[in-house]
Amino acid sequence: GQSLEQPSEVTAVEGAIVQINCTYQTSGFYGLSWYQQHDGGAPTFLSYNALDGLEETGRFSSFLSRSDSYGYLLLQELQMKDSASYFCAVQSENTGGFKTIFGAGTRLFVKA
Amino acid sequence: DSGVTQTPKHLITATGQRVTLRCSPRSGDLSVYWYQQSLDQGLQFLIQYYNGEERAKGNILERFSAQQFPDLHSELNLSSLELGDSALYFCASSVEASGVTDTQYFGPGTRLTVL
Repeated sequence: GQSLEQPSEVTAVEGAIVQINCTYQTSGFYGLSWYQQHDGGAPTFLSYNALDGLEETGRFSSFLSRSDSYGYLLLQELQMKDSASYFCAVQSENTGGFKTIFGAGTRLFVKA
Repeated sequence: DSGVTQTPKHLITATGQRVTLRCSPRSGDLSVYWYQQSLDQGLQFLIQYYNGEERAKGNILERFSAQQFPDLHSELNLSSLELGDSALYFCASSVEASGVTDTQYFGPGTRLTVL
């Protein structure tokens, strides 16, 4: 079957760096995405990794290791507005077509 | 604003009823996805359409069905509603068929409450 695991909650202080890990189990893996969702809002795309390595977009970076079925989202210079839920999502292809499976989400609390 | 619109924003109905949720994708996007998000839960992929054709199916119940029309808007039909169907239903759109290498843009969601 397919599964994703990410921590349920992470707390960090303003200005710090936080890493949110995601491990997955799937066949037909294509890539790993990260989405941010504020309370009451819609998910918004942050990053996508199809190849091993680090992708950097401003304060946010995402890493993928296909051999380890592992990725992480790195948030630097944390701001209060970064308090939100962060979802990793695996894209895969199987007999049912392409699918995106989301993790249960990691709730990030940023403290002053 | 992602450019994806969903109506209605809120829907309150009774068990056993049937409702239709509507989604208009971003201009130029051919793929539409439907997701269910229950309270404090992750996003559950339901189904994807690409240019009018069903592309991929997730954990969609038999009581649920969807379609994508020639103008690319999509509707999600939920029937014989149960209390457990209460959730946020999101629609997302993307340019490509696979939705793998391109971004999915999410609409604001429809909050369904079944009483």
